[in-house]
Amino acid sequence: KNEVEQSPQNLTAQEGEFITINCSYSVGISALHWLQQHPGGGIVSLFMLSSGKKKHGRLIATINIQEKHSSLHITASHPRDSAVYICAVAGGSNYKLTFGKGTLLTVNP
Amino acid sequence: NAGVMQNPRHLVRRRGQEARLRCSPMKGHSHVYWYRQLPEEGLKFMVYLQKENIIDESGMPKERFSAEFPKEGPSILRIQQVVRGDSAAYFCASSSGTGRFLSTEAFFGQGTRLTVV
Repeated sequence: KNEVEQSPQNLTAQEGEFITINCSYSVGISALHWLQQHPGGGIVSLFMLSSGKKKHGRLIATINIQEKHSSLHITASHPRDSAVYICAVAGGSNYKLTFGKGTLLTVNP
Repeated sequence: NAGVMQNPRHLVRRRGQEARLRCSPMKGHSHVYWYRQLPEEGLKFMVYLQKENIIDESGMPKERFSAEFPKEGPSILRIQQVVRGDSAAYFCASSSGTGRFLSTEAFFGQGTRLTVV
């Protein structure tokens, strides 16, 4: 069983919809990251969380340390949000992350 | 101000050949991290290097894989005698310190897609 589980694996939405991607983890962590990977492209960090909630534009990330769960929300989704969203957790070292398999989001116009 | 540069973007090798993947970190960054993304799998940490030093290679396969980050030039991930199972996307990231990695800085390259035929 993977230490980091994401759901759903695939998500298709219509432009404007509110999107939620979930991440559950089974190990103790020092931080949780949400990353974005465009098809054939590189990886961009969206958020780093150790508690509470962060917001950047239309993106909101929350974490519940007790429940070992995090969510990434996208409000007013747009086709340019189509990408793979990856959850990753850091235990001791910042760089030795455990990654989820990613959620493929497709937003249709 | 170029980001993390990886080349080549795509690399095809026959079984048994050598693959060399290059990563030039962002200007001013002396810490480089390599990750591998196998098909249908999540990214996995491979190795962390500073200039002329391997700091943590706990994620590297024991055989055929090596990495270096010389005083001058890019970091190189070298895979000898490639096999089909080495086909993956290899990503490099850089930072100015491990404490800053993915906290105040988050710089990944575009990746090298290695296909072994």
